[in-house]
Order: sequence, then structure tokens, then C-alpha cells
Amino acid sequence: GNSVTQMEGPVTLSEEAFLTINCTYTATGYPSLFWYVQYPGEGLQLLLKATKADDKGSNKGFEATYRKETTSFHLEKGSVQVSDSAVYFCALSDSSYKLIFGSGTRLLVRP
Amino acid sequence: GAGVSQSPSNKVTEKGKDVELRCDPISGHTALYWYRQSLGQGLEFLIYFQGNSAPDKSGLPSDRFSAERTGGSVSTLTIQRTQQEDSAVYLCASSRDNSGNTIYFGEGSWLTVV
Repeated sequence: GNSVTQMEGPVTLSEEAFLTINCTYTATGYPSLFWYVQYPGEGLQLLLKATKADDKGSNKGFEATYRKETTSFHLEKGSVQVSDSAVYFCALSDSSYKLIFGSGTRLLVRP
Repeated sequence: GAGVSQSPSNKVTEKGKDVELRCDPISGHTALYWYRQSLGQGLEFLIYFQGNSAPDKSGLPSDRFSAERTGGSVSTLTIQRTQQEDSAVYLCASSRDNSGNTIYFGEGSWLTVV
């Protein structure tokens, strides 16, 4: 079946460091791919998405590129801030409505 | 409000009791979803409603779980005879329709079964 695999956390970085959170997927067909973020005490928010191969989603300095050849959708940011501390979820949608999530990666950014 | 609203935000219940969790989607959104977020299990799809179509109940973990959506708007998730393994955050979400529009999540209802 379809699935999403994320790198395990927590990921601890100093402010202004470069961030990569790996995400790979298994799916039939051509799913849409998403990154959601959950800040402490808040609900899930869509961070970015990509709907077809080679698309790049971007938002708030974060980027992820849909790589069909490697079935990956890695999240990157060039310079993290303390306010980026949160749990990040990679997800795919193969049916236009049902989201399949990875297990989440906690990011802690220290001043 | 502007977002998906869920209540209660926190619920502690005794094992064996029934609980109801409520979701008020964003106005005008025809699609509504319930997910469960629990330790060690990540985020699991529970049920999906779209307009007047029959709901997709494929994610409900047992027949103790049920959900309804009245008038195409508010939804209630009911858990009967709660068990400790039901302890989790229950997330409701909505989207404009089912054509790939952004899904917006509520802040969740944290259920603890003691």
C-alpha cells in the first residue's frame, strides 16, 4: 500500500543552520505531496505542496522538490530560526482527499 | 470563526464510558475528515464525508467508533465503551471539496481514557 517514511527526530540545530528533513514515499500512480507543520499547542498547518514531478513547493523560506526518480520530497531551509521549532509531517494524497502521513519529525532550534 | 473548530479541546473519561467529539468545519467546505494522532501510531485517517455522498469509513478502527455529519456541516465523532488505547488527539479537517484543495485542520480534541 501507499506509505510515507520520514527521518526520525528529534533534529536539533543552532539558529541559522541549514535544515534537511528527509521524506520518501511509496505510491502507485502520481500522488500529490505535502509538508504540514505543527507548532507547539497548535493544529496542523499546510506548509507547502507539490502536485507533479519536478514541482517545487515553497513557503516561509522552506522548499521541497517532488523527485519521482528517487520517490522523495525532502524539506529544506537555508537558515532556520528558533520560531521554526515544531513537528513536521510529510504526507501524500493518492485519491485527492485521503492524506497518508509520515510519523513526523520534531525540530528544535536553539538560539 | 474562520478556522475549523473542535470541542472539547480536552476530555478525560473513565474506561467504558461513551464520548462525543464535535467538529465545526470552515463555512462552505463540503469535505470533512477525521484523523487520529496517537503516540507510536502517527496520524491515522478515520473517516471522510463529502457532501451527500456515502462517507468513507475505511479508517475507523472498530465498531465502537462512529461519526455523523448533520446538514452537511457539523460532525460528531462518537466512541462507545472507551478503552485506554483510544487515548489520542482526534483531529478534524475540512476542505472546499475533494478535488485536491487544501485541507485545513482544527486544533484537535485531546482524549484521555483512565
